[in-house]
Amino acid sequence: DSGVTQTPKHLITATGQRVTLRCSPRSGDLSVYWYQQSLDQGLQFLIQYYNGEERAKGNILERFSAQQFPDLHSELNLSSLELGDSALYFCASSVGAEPNTGELFFGEGSRLTVL
Amino acid sequence: GENVEQHPSTLSVQEGDSAVIKCTYSDSASNYFPWYKQELGKGPQLIIDIRSNVGEKKDQRIAVTLNKTAKHFSLHITETQPEDSAVYFCAVLSGAGSYQLTFGKGTKLSVIP
Repeated sequence: DSGVTQTPKHLITATGQRVTLRCSPRSGDLSVYWYQQSLDQGLQFLIQYYNGEERAKGNILERFSAQQFPDLHSELNLSSLELGDSALYFCASSVGAEPNTGELFFGEGSRLTVL
Repeated sequence: GENVEQHPSTLSVQEGDSAVIKCTYSDSASNYFPWYKQELGKGPQLIIDIRSNVGEKKDQRIAVTLNKTAKHFSLHITETQPEDSAVYFCAVLSGAGSYQLTFGKGTKLSVIP
């Protein structure tokens, strides 16, 4: 158990809908990272928050948004969903602001299926 | 941006043999190279990492080597066991204040008993 909690574990929805994925980081970790894992693209970095502020942005679509709340949990909002958004979405947390200052601990992921 | 290529995509070995997975990267300023193991139904887990000022690092049966000149690094697993079967990902953190880990596409390792 990594200590990172993601909900829901599975989610099935229709095209055009909006969903919210939730992540609770390990106790004491200030950084939260979101990754998308699909079969053909591997792990793609979406966005990182550190202590409530956006720290880095990767290949995140404009239809997607995220935030980190004062209690450090984070939510990833996916809107106007398309079939291609079907993937595993991972949240990871770490103590520091940069990925090389401490281990990234990954949750078990949220599997999104868009029909 | 950083480009990371990982080979092979699949690898089968007999129990007790060694396994080697190689990654190449494009940014010569990259300075941090972790390896992650992902078991079925779970998230990736860090197994070993190396920084640019070190050429090799070992931890029991696993080791990582880094060749900065050639811009490649490799994961070596010796005396493989069935529980080593998983998908392995390399990753690279570029230098110059980058906060983004770029992952390879993964290697599915199967250890045959």
